[in-house]
Amino acid sequence: GQSLEQPSEVTAVEGAIVQINCTYQTSGFYGLSWYQQHDGGAPTFLSYNALDGLEETGRFSSFLSRSDSYGYLLLQELQMKDSASYFCAVRGDGGSQGNLIFGKGTKLSVKP
Amino acid sequence: DAGVTQSPTHLIKTRGQHVTLRCSPISGHKSVSWYQQVLGQGPQFIFQYYEKEERGRGNFPDRFSARQFPNYSSELNVNALLLGDSALYLCASSFRDRSYNEQFFGPGTRLTVL
Repeated sequence: GQSLEQPSEVTAVEGAIVQINCTYQTSGFYGLSWYQQHDGGAPTFLSYNALDGLEETGRFSSFLSRSDSYGYLLLQELQMKDSASYFCAVRGDGGSQGNLIFGKGTKLSVKP
Repeated sequence: DAGVTQSPTHLIKTRGQHVTLRCSPISGHKSVSWYQQVLGQGPQFIFQYYEKEERGRGNFPDRFSARQFPNYSSELNVNALLLGDSALYLCASSFRDRSYNEQFFGPGTRLTVL
Protein backbone atom coordinates (compact mmCIF):
# COMPACT_ATOMS: atom_id res chain seq x y z
CA GLY A 1 0.00 0.00 0.00
CA GLN A 2 0.87 3.64 0.01
CA SER A 3 1.30 5.86 3.03
CA LEU A 4 2.77 9.22 3.96
CA GLU A 5 3.72 10.33 7.43
CA GLN A 6 4.06 13.93 8.51
CA PRO A 7 3.78 15.68 11.89
CA SER A 8 0.26 16.73 12.79
CA GLU A 9 1.12 20.16 14.16
CA VAL A 10 4.01 22.62 14.17
CA THR A 11 4.20 26.01 15.91
CA ALA A 12 6.73 28.76 15.15
CA VAL A 13 7.10 32.52 15.53
CA GLU A 14 7.12 35.18 12.86
CA GLY A 15 10.45 35.53 11.11
CA ALA A 16 11.60 32.05 12.10
CA ILE A 17 12.39 29.03 9.91
CA VAL A 18 10.34 25.84 10.09
CA GLN A 19 10.84 22.43 8.49
CA ILE A 20 7.95 20.05 7.84
CA ASN A 21 9.07 16.47 7.27
CA CYS A 22 7.40 13.79 5.20
CA THR A 23 8.27 10.12 4.89
CA TYR A 24 6.51 8.04 2.29
CA GLN A 25 5.95 4.47 1.28
CA THR A 26 4.90 3.72 -2.27
CA SER A 27 5.48 1.02 -4.87
CA GLY A 28 6.20 3.33 -7.80
CA PHE A 29 7.70 6.71 -7.03
CA TYR A 30 7.33 9.61 -9.44
CA GLY A 31 7.99 12.55 -7.17
CA LEU A 32 6.85 14.32 -4.04
CA SER A 33 4.48 17.29 -4.14
CA TRP A 34 3.61 19.84 -1.49
CA TYR A 35 0.30 21.69 -1.14
CA GLN A 36 -0.81 24.48 1.16
CA GLN A 37 -4.37 24.78 2.41
CA HIS A 38 -5.73 27.63 4.48
CA ASP A 39 -8.76 26.95 6.68
CA GLY A 40 -11.86 26.81 4.48
CA GLY A 41 -9.79 27.14 1.32
CA ALA A 42 -8.64 24.99 -1.56
CA PRO A 43 -5.29 23.20 -1.61
CA THR A 44 -2.78 25.16 -3.67
CA PHE A 45 0.34 23.71 -5.26
CA LEU A 46 3.66 24.75 -3.72
CA SER A 47 6.38 22.53 -5.15
CA TYR A 48 7.32 19.23 -6.74
CA ASN A 49 10.53 17.22 -6.43
CA ALA A 50 11.21 14.34 -8.80
CA LEU A 51 14.97 14.19 -8.21
CA ASP A 52 17.10 14.27 -5.08
CA GLY A 53 18.10 17.65 -3.78
CA LEU A 54 16.75 21.03 -2.87
CA GLU A 55 14.32 23.12 -4.92
CA GLU A 56 13.97 26.77 -3.91
CA THR A 57 11.03 29.03 -4.69
CA GLY A 58 11.22 32.30 -2.82
CA ARG A 59 10.79 31.76 0.91
CA PHE A 60 9.83 28.13 0.40
CA SER A 61 12.19 25.27 -0.39
CA SER A 62 11.54 21.56 -0.77
CA PHE A 63 14.00 18.71 -0.42
CA LEU A 64 13.89 15.09 -1.51
CA SER A 65 15.98 12.03 -0.71
CA ARG A 66 14.68 9.08 -2.71
CA SER A 67 17.03 6.60 -1.03
CA ASP A 68 15.54 7.54 2.35
CA SER A 69 11.94 7.91 1.06
CA TYR A 70 11.98 11.27 2.75
CA GLY A 71 11.36 14.87 1.94
CA TYR A 72 10.76 18.15 3.69
CA LEU A 73 9.29 21.57 3.11
CA LEU A 74 11.31 24.48 4.49
CA LEU A 75 9.59 27.78 5.15
CA GLN A 76 11.82 30.78 5.86
CA GLU A 77 11.05 34.25 7.21
CA LEU A 78 7.71 33.02 8.46
CA GLN A 79 4.76 35.35 8.14
CA MET A 80 1.36 35.19 9.83
CA LYS A 81 -0.22 34.36 6.46
CA ASP A 82 1.81 31.12 6.37
CA SER A 83 -0.49 29.71 9.07
CA ALA A 84 -2.15 26.87 7.18
CA SER A 85 -2.10 23.12 6.70
CA TYR A 86 0.64 21.65 4.55
CA PHE A 87 0.28 18.33 2.76
CA CYS A 88 2.85 16.14 1.08
CA ALA A 89 1.56 13.93 -1.72
CA VAL A 90 2.73 11.18 -4.08
CA ARG A 91 1.28 9.65 -7.19
CA GLY A 92 -1.35 7.02 -6.64
CA ASP A 93 -0.93 3.47 -7.87
CA GLY A 94 -3.40 0.91 -9.16
CA GLY A 95 -6.75 2.51 -9.86
CA SER A 96 -5.49 5.81 -8.52
CA GLN A 97 -2.65 6.23 -11.04
CA GLY A 98 -2.07 9.77 -12.08
CA ASN A 99 -3.77 11.11 -9.03
CA LEU A 100 -2.48 12.20 -5.71
CA ILE A 101 -2.29 10.36 -2.42
CA PHE A 102 -2.04 12.91 0.37
CA GLY A 103 -0.60 12.74 3.84
CA LYS A 104 -2.83 13.75 6.74
CA GLY A 105 -1.34 17.23 6.76
CA THR A 106 0.69 19.37 9.13
CA LYS A 107 -1.07 22.31 10.73
CA LEU A 108 1.38 25.20 11.00
CA SER A 109 0.59 27.96 13.46
CA VAL A 110 2.69 31.12 13.22
CA LYS A 111 2.68 33.23 16.37
CA PRO A 112 3.58 36.94 16.60
CA ASP B 1 -8.63 33.49 -16.31
CA ALA B 2 -11.11 31.87 -13.97
CA GLY B 3 -9.91 29.04 -11.81
CA VAL B 4 -11.74 25.84 -11.06
CA THR B 5 -15.31 26.55 -9.99
CA GLN B 6 -17.60 24.32 -7.98
CA SER B 7 -21.26 24.50 -7.06
CA PRO B 8 -22.92 24.64 -4.68
CA THR B 9 -20.52 25.94 -2.01
CA HIS B 10 -22.51 24.43 0.84
CA LEU B 11 -25.17 21.75 0.99
CA ILE B 12 -27.18 20.15 3.76
CA LYS B 13 -28.87 16.81 3.15
CA THR B 14 -30.41 14.07 5.26
CA ARG B 15 -29.47 10.41 5.37
CA GLY B 16 -30.69 8.41 2.39
CA GLN B 17 -30.93 11.38 0.04
CA HIS B 18 -29.08 11.89 -3.21
CA VAL B 19 -26.70 14.73 -4.03
CA THR B 20 -25.12 16.10 -7.23
CA LEU B 21 -22.02 18.27 -7.10
CA ARG B 22 -20.73 20.22 -10.08
CA CYS B 23 -17.30 21.31 -11.25
CA SER B 24 -16.02 23.46 -14.11
CA PRO B 25 -12.31 23.07 -14.85
CA ILE B 26 -9.89 25.76 -15.88
CA SER B 27 -10.38 26.66 -19.52
CA GLY B 28 -8.33 24.29 -21.67
CA HIS B 29 -8.00 21.64 -18.98
CA LYS B 30 -9.35 18.27 -20.04
CA SER B 31 -8.82 16.27 -16.85
CA VAL B 32 -11.01 16.51 -13.78
CA SER B 33 -10.44 14.67 -10.52
CA TRP B 34 -12.67 14.47 -7.46
CA TYR B 35 -11.42 14.23 -3.88
CA GLN B 36 -13.15 13.87 -0.52
CA GLN B 37 -11.61 15.66 2.43
CA VAL B 38 -12.84 14.81 5.90
CA LEU B 39 -12.08 17.36 8.61
CA GLY B 40 -8.51 17.05 9.82
CA GLN B 41 -7.44 14.70 7.02
CA GLY B 42 -5.83 15.04 3.63
CA PRO B 43 -7.90 14.85 0.44
CA GLN B 44 -8.75 11.31 -0.63
CA PHE B 45 -9.03 10.46 -4.34
CA ILE B 46 -12.47 9.43 -5.64
CA PHE B 47 -12.47 9.63 -9.47
CA GLN B 48 -10.54 10.99 -12.40
CA TYR B 49 -11.98 11.74 -15.84
CA TYR B 50 -10.11 12.66 -18.99
CA GLU B 51 -11.76 13.38 -22.33
CA LYS B 52 -15.07 12.16 -20.88
CA GLU B 53 -13.71 8.74 -19.92
CA GLU B 54 -13.12 7.41 -16.44
CA ARG B 55 -9.37 7.03 -15.97
CA GLY B 56 -9.11 6.26 -12.31
CA ARG B 57 -11.23 5.28 -9.35
CA GLY B 58 -10.37 5.36 -5.66
CA ASN B 59 -11.61 3.09 -2.92
CA PHE B 60 -15.17 4.38 -2.62
CA PRO B 61 -18.47 2.44 -2.71
CA ASP B 62 -20.69 2.24 -5.76
CA ARG B 63 -22.94 4.89 -4.24
CA PHE B 64 -20.40 7.32 -5.67
CA SER B 65 -20.47 7.97 -9.41
CA ALA B 66 -19.31 10.71 -11.73
CA ARG B 67 -19.31 11.79 -15.32
CA GLN B 68 -17.65 14.36 -17.55
CA PHE B 69 -19.42 16.35 -20.22
CA PRO B 70 -18.23 17.41 -23.70
CA ASN B 71 -17.26 20.84 -22.31
CA TYR B 72 -15.08 19.01 -19.72
CA SER B 73 -17.22 20.02 -16.77
CA SER B 74 -18.05 17.23 -14.38
CA GLU B 75 -20.63 16.00 -11.91
CA LEU B 76 -20.17 13.87 -8.83
CA ASN B 77 -23.22 11.97 -7.65
CA VAL B 78 -23.66 10.32 -4.29
CA ASN B 79 -26.69 8.13 -3.58
CA ALA B 80 -28.13 6.91 -0.29
CA LEU B 81 -26.19 9.44 1.75
CA LEU B 82 -24.65 8.37 5.05
CA LEU B 83 -23.57 10.54 7.95
CA GLY B 84 -19.98 9.62 7.10
CA ASP B 85 -20.29 11.28 3.70
CA SER B 86 -20.16 14.66 5.40
CA ALA B 87 -16.98 16.24 4.04
CA LEU B 88 -15.47 18.85 1.76
CA TYR B 89 -15.63 17.62 -1.83
CA LEU B 90 -12.85 19.01 -3.96
CA CYS B 91 -12.55 19.10 -7.71
CA ALA B 92 -9.15 19.45 -9.35
CA SER B 93 -8.31 20.03 -12.99
CA SER B 94 -5.18 19.61 -15.06
CA PHE B 95 -4.30 19.90 -18.73
CA ARG B 96 -2.83 16.45 -19.13
CA ASP B 97 -4.17 13.05 -18.31
CA ARG B 98 -2.71 11.66 -15.08
CA SER B 99 -1.01 14.90 -14.09
CA TYR B 100 0.32 13.87 -10.72
CA ASN B 101 2.70 16.69 -9.96
CA GLU B 102 0.41 19.70 -10.13
CA GLN B 103 -3.33 19.85 -9.95
CA PHE B 104 -5.46 22.98 -9.61
CA PHE B 105 -8.14 22.69 -6.96
CA GLY B 106 -11.48 24.41 -6.72
CA PRO B 107 -12.84 25.87 -3.46
CA GLY B 108 -14.87 22.74 -2.77
CA THR B 109 -18.43 21.92 -1.79
CA ARG B 110 -19.06 21.49 1.93
CA LEU B 111 -21.60 18.66 2.31
CA THR B 112 -23.29 18.09 5.63
CA VAL B 113 -25.43 14.98 6.07
CA LEU B 114 -27.85 15.04 9.00
